[in-house]
Amino acid sequence: EDQVTQSPEALRLQEGESSSLNCSYTVSGLRGLFWYRQDPGKGPEFLFTLYSAGEEKEKERLKATLTKKESFLHITAPKPEDSATYLCAVQAGSGTYKYIFGTGTRLKVLA
Amino acid sequence: GAVVSQHPSRVICKSGTSVKIECRSLDFQATTMFWYRQFPKQSLMLMATSNEGSKATYEQGVEKDKFLINHASLTLSTLTVTSAHPEDSSFYICSARDFVTGYGYTFGSGTRLTVV
Repeated sequence: EDQVTQSPEALRLQEGESSSLNCSYTVSGLRGLFWYRQDPGKGPEFLFTLYSAGEEKEKERLKATLTKKESFLHITAPKPEDSATYLCAVQAGSGTYKYIFGTGTRLKVLA
Repeated sequence: GAVVSQHPSRVICKSGTSVKIECRSLDFQATTMFWYRQFPKQSLMLMATSNEGSKATYEQGVEKDKFLINHASLTLSTLTVTSAHPEDSSFYICSARDFVTGYGYTFGSGTRLTVV
């Protein structure tokens, strides 16, 4: 069964304290891995798409990487405004555009 | 970038009534839209896939007669929660993909449904 697991469930960082969020997946035929940011009471906001192992994407303080089994979202020198829930999702198999979401990591950055 | 508009953002209804939620793709055509449900501090659970001009595909365990989906045009999908009960209270989110730009799916801002 296809599965996506995120860790840690929650993370508190001091402003400027870099860290990484993990997204582990077991799927048959990965088509793409997606990272989203979700603020309370809002829909997820697209961050990155990764398609193959070794691929990396960067945006401001965020950098996403992908291996054959997991993806990392690295946050460098975070600011309080980076506080949110970060979700990863995978598309797998053929002929389907469905996402399988992980449970998310709730990030809190303290000033 | 692609924008998905979802309305209303919040709705309170009485038990036994029906509520309609709209999801529109503003600057692109979406042949397929997805409807999710999210409980507090939990991830998104796919309810159904909405296909323009055809019947929606529901995930296992989702009641088709309770959650009616209509995708009548390339820019509009609606979710109607029929005979709502307090246990239907949740955060409902739609999403669509602009296949032209090829980016990940764009999500609506969500609808907070409270059934009293």
